Amino acid sequence: KTQVEQSPQSLVVRQGENCVLQCNYSVTPDNHLRWFKQDTGKGLVSLTVLVDQKDKTSNGRYSATLDKDAKHSTLHITATLLDDTATYICVVGDRGSALGRLHFGAGTQLIVIP
Amino acid sequence: DMKVTQMPRYLIKRMGENVLLECGQDMSHETMYWYRQDPGLGLQLIYISYDVDSNSEGDIPKGYRVSRKKREHFSLILDSAKTNQTSVYFCASSFVGASAETLYFGSGTRLTVL
Repeated sequence: KTQVEQSPQSLVVRQGENCVLQCNYSVTPDNHLRWFKQDTGKGLVSLTVLVDQKDKTSNGRYSATLDKDAKHSTLHITATLLDDTATYICVVGDRGSALGRLHFGAGTQLIVIP
Repeated sequence: DMKVTQMPRYLIKRMGENVLLECGQDMSHETMYWYRQDPGLGLQLIYISYDVDSNSEGDIPKGYRVSRKKREHFSLILDSAKTNQTSVYFCASSFVGASAETLYFGSGTRLTVL
């Protein structure tokens, strides 16, 4: 059973618009949640990690929230650029160390058009 | 420059042939991973290596084996490849920081088994 669900599956926005990506999970325990960006044909690159019960992070035009009570996270992308076209993957870790397991979502494919 | 390098990038094999996928990292990370990525699914863990000759099965180890004789190299071996092993394979190494484990991914190997 999939423990990390991302929505929407795909999203098309115009350059300059804002967008919000959602991640719901059932992983227990939920030590941390990380968002990755995967460009087509490339590996995953970490954007941000959230750790606290109710957490917020900001990394340039990317900002993220986590609510562990709701087991829900959002990734906001402000003023999208063509280079933001990629798949965004939500990953929940059940421990803070390598002895834990990482649970990957299937990703949201974001396409930014001119 | 922190890097995980995978070779080859693309590989086509016939069913029953042996396959060797190689991965190297220049960060002296102890822990390394092999994942596969299939359309519509999250990354699935094949094997994890905690250090030289210290390997553990992941969630889908059947049909695969690994070798780690040096900390910087981690190989994935398919003995007698099957068509259902057609996939994109990612290697990663990890560093446990103050907040959570951080993964560094290679660019992937796209394997097609005919």
